[in-house]
Amino acid sequence: GNSVTQMEGPVTLSEEAFLTINCTYTATGYPSLFWYVQYPGEGLQLLLKATKADDKGSNKGFEATYRKETTSFHLEKGSVQVSDSAVYFCALTNAGKSTFGDGTTLTVKP
Amino acid sequence: GAGVSQSPRYKVAKRGQDVALRCDPISGHVSLFWYQQALGQGPEFLTYFQNEAQLDKSGLPSDRFFAERPEGSVSTLKIQRTQQEDSAVYLCASSTEVGTYNEQFFGPGTRLTVL
Repeated sequence: GNSVTQMEGPVTLSEEAFLTINCTYTATGYPSLFWYVQYPGEGLQLLLKATKADDKGSNKGFEATYRKETTSFHLEKGSVQVSDSAVYFCALTNAGKSTFGDGTTLTVKP
Repeated sequence: GAGVSQSPRYKVAKRGQDVALRCDPISGHVSLFWYQQALGQGPEFLTYFQNEAQLDKSGLPSDRFFAERPEGSVSTLKIQRTQQEDSAVYLCASSTEVGTYNEQFFGPGTRLTVL
């Protein structure tokens, strides 16, 4: 079956620090990979996605590269801001069905 | 430009009661998904629809859970004889079509507490 494992949190960083949130997956076939973000008091929303191996998704300064050889999709940002404080979910979609990781809570302090 | 809406936002039920949770997807979205999210965990797939057809219900945890989308728009998730382990946030999402590539747009969720 499909599964997603992401780095446990919480993660606390100072503003302008470098961020990495690890995500690895197991899946049959050719899944698409996603990062969703949930800001405080809001619903889940798409942050970025990649649909095939070696694709890089990017948005709002965040990046993640679909690595088939390591079955990974790590989220990175070079300089985090206080407004990036949120819960981040890694997910895969395969044959129409989505599987999510358990989420990583990021807190950025000024 | 309304997004996905869900009602009620909060529901408290006594054990054994039946509940019905409503989802209004984005207009024109063909696909609709239901997820269950326990505290501190990611969403777990329950079921999805393409128009009015329920294509996959493999994630429904028991026969007490039932979902419908009779006209291919609004969907209702019904839980019969609620149990404490049903306490969770129930998320609805919609997308333009079923497919591996498509972004899902999520509603705010309904938080169900079973006493």
